[in-house]
Amino acid sequence: EVQLVDSGGGLVQPGGSLRLSCAASGFTFNNHAMSWVRQAPGKGLEWVSTLGGSGGSADYADSVKGRFTISRDNSKNTLYLQMSSLKTEDTALYFCARHKRWRLGYCSSAGCSVDFWGQGTLVTVSS
Amino acid sequence: DIQMTQSPSTLSASVGDRVTITCRASQSISSWLAWFQQKPGKAPKLLIYKASILESGVPSRFSGSGSGTEFTLTISSLQPDDFATYYCQQYDAYPRTFGQGTKVEIK
Repeated sequence: EVQLVDSGGGLVQPGGSLRLSCAASGFTFNNHAMSWVRQAPGKGLEWVSTLGGSGGSADYADSVKGRFTISRDNSKNTLYLQMSSLKTEDTALYFCARHKRWRLGYCSSAGCSVDFWGQGTLVTVSS
Repeated sequence: DIQMTQSPSTLSASVGDRVTITCRASQSISSWLAWFQQKPGKAPKLLIYKASILESGVPSRFSGSGSGTEFTLTISSLQPDDFATYYCQQYDAYPRTFGQGTKVEIK
């Protein structure tokens, strides 16, 4: 059974740092790109960052570029999001998400669709 | 950035109704579009990818169509479990943008 367990959220002051983790199981982790997606309270979904299966290429939303770093440890089947210089507008439920395994004709040049999500971990940035 | 616009924002319908949600992209995204369902307090769930391919395990009353800039998600006969918020997302280019969501409510 595929599982993604998000953790590491909490209350942090503006300007502070936090590291989120996403523990994966039930599939071959390094065969899949992974993303972080967030949802501010009462709002829609916002893509944050994506990292390829080998960990070599990362993309970021402009709103977090230079402040957040996505990484993965394939030996531990874990995805991370290091967040620094946090702002009140970063307050959200953060989901990790697995992408479908790459398959010719089913994925664009920018990658594949997300197909499975963790339960989310809440980050609150407030003084 | 590619802007994704969903309509309507809210939809009131009854069990058994046929429901259609539209998603428009600000530029062509070929067929690189996914649809997700989200219930309150839960993670989203993939319904459709590559505009029209039904994800495994998703009921056949859900269908997707379109290409280029205009896409639709159709629920052929709305069931009680389908009252939720639906999002489209393009994966043609980064940043991977979502539509603002369509909330399907009980009429």
